[in-house]
Amino acid sequence: AQSVAQPEDQVNVAEGNPLTVKCTYSVSGNPYLFWYVQYPNRGLQFLLKYITGDNLVKGSYGFEAEFNKSQTSFHLKKPSALVSDSALYFCAVRDGGTYKYIFGTGTRLKVLA
Amino acid sequence: DVKVTQSSRYLVKRTGEKVFLECVQDMDHENMFWYRQDPGLGLRLIYFSYDVKMKEKGDIPEGYSVSREKKERFSLILESASTNQTSMYLCASTTNRDRVPEQYFGPGTRLTVT
Repeated sequence: AQSVAQPEDQVNVAEGNPLTVKCTYSVSGNPYLFWYVQYPNRGLQFLLKYITGDNLVKGSYGFEAEFNKSQTSFHLKKPSALVSDSALYFCAVRDGGTYKYIFGTGTRLKVLA
Repeated sequence: DVKVTQSSRYLVKRTGEKVFLECVQDMDHENMFWYRQDPGLGLRLIYFSYDVKMKEKGDIPEGYSVSREKKERFSLILESASTNQTSMYLCASTTNRDRVPEQYFGPGTRLTVT
């Protein structure tokens, strides 16, 4: 069965420092991977996705994610964090055989001024 | 600008009431989804629909039903609300025009059952 894991409930980082939010996955076929962000009392917004090809995927708001097949990871990164990046981040994988998407439990990012 | 809207942002209902949550998308998407979001559990799929009048159970369908009479509208029904259905409910949609589409989410409905 497809699954994703976000090992950290919360990540704290100082403004201006690089940030990483971790995600590992388990899939039986090709991995289709996504990152979403949720601001308080809002729905989820799409940041980026990996389908195939280049292992470094660029997305919205300066975020990027690195796909690593050998480590089955898809970590979200940003070179310089902003206080406004503080939010809840979700990793997800598309179940290739169906329409379903499976989400991780979320990581709360706190960027400290 | 693409949009998924949900009928209410906040809702308070009593135990045993029948509750309707409505979701509308204006993107002509084929697929629509209902999730509930609880702290520490992430998003869990309740039901999804891949066409008008078509539906499939997700991971936690018990206590819920859905209706999709028109392509743009997907309703979630709590037949008899219970306190353990207090949660944030999120609707989403995707298109079949993209091979691996991302989901577009509504703003969510925070339901409290007392």
